Amino acid sequence: NAGVMQNPRHLVRRRGQEARLRCSPMKGHSHVYWYRQLPEEGLKFMVYLQKENIIDESGMPKERFSAEFPKEGPSILRIQQVVRGDSAAYFCASSPIKRAFNTEAFFGQGTRLTVV
Amino acid sequence: TQLLEQSPQFLSIQEGENLTVYCNSSSVFSSLQWYRQEPGEGPVLLVTVVTGGEVKKLKRLTFQFGDARKDSSLHITAAQPGDTGLYLCAVDFQGAQKLVFGQGTRLTINP
Repeated sequence: NAGVMQNPRHLVRRRGQEARLRCSPMKGHSHVYWYRQLPEEGLKFMVYLQKENIIDESGMPKERFSAEFPKEGPSILRIQQVVRGDSAAYFCASSPIKRAFNTEAFFGQGTRLTVV
Repeated sequence: TQLLEQSPQFLSIQEGENLTVYCNSSSVFSSLQWYRQEPGEGPVLLVTVVTGGEVKKLKRLTFQFGDARKDSSLHITAAQPGDTGLYLCAVDFQGAQKLVFGQGTRLTINP
């Protein structure tokens, strides 16, 4: 059973371009969470999605960022008109059910975005 | 202001030594998780502690949840180079759908 798959692993974008980060959850998992990690910091929650629904996007910047988790295919985190401050590692996690305290969310290896 | 404060932020010790890292808060939590993150990888869950005063052991790692459920510690006995990594504590916030992480302790074990 493959783990959470994120691609690309590394992404370089020029300022003003768009970045699209993909996350394929573990098989049978319908809950996806996106986190951002700045250098030398812990992870910060961005958005929680179920299939076709955004449940909680309280951690996602209101402008330029969007996320989706379609009925078919991976979850996508989209950053429009990237700026240098968007450079970070973006992690996706998935769980089979709505998380409770004892439900493990499995993390992918992350996408490292560098804006030049 | 960080909800979770981890200390020390950096720790470099020799193989075979013992160490303790801490995760502190002024808030009370129903549970707390510890993760290890290796360079270039995502975090991996090590343990979840739930009960105040609870102690859990995972081989050479001992996790303790404070009696008041506001803090936790991770003790490693006879550290090995394979223990090197970023150790993160995290708590569920507002209904378990978003984990809040501390800033981590970056541990380096030198051979």
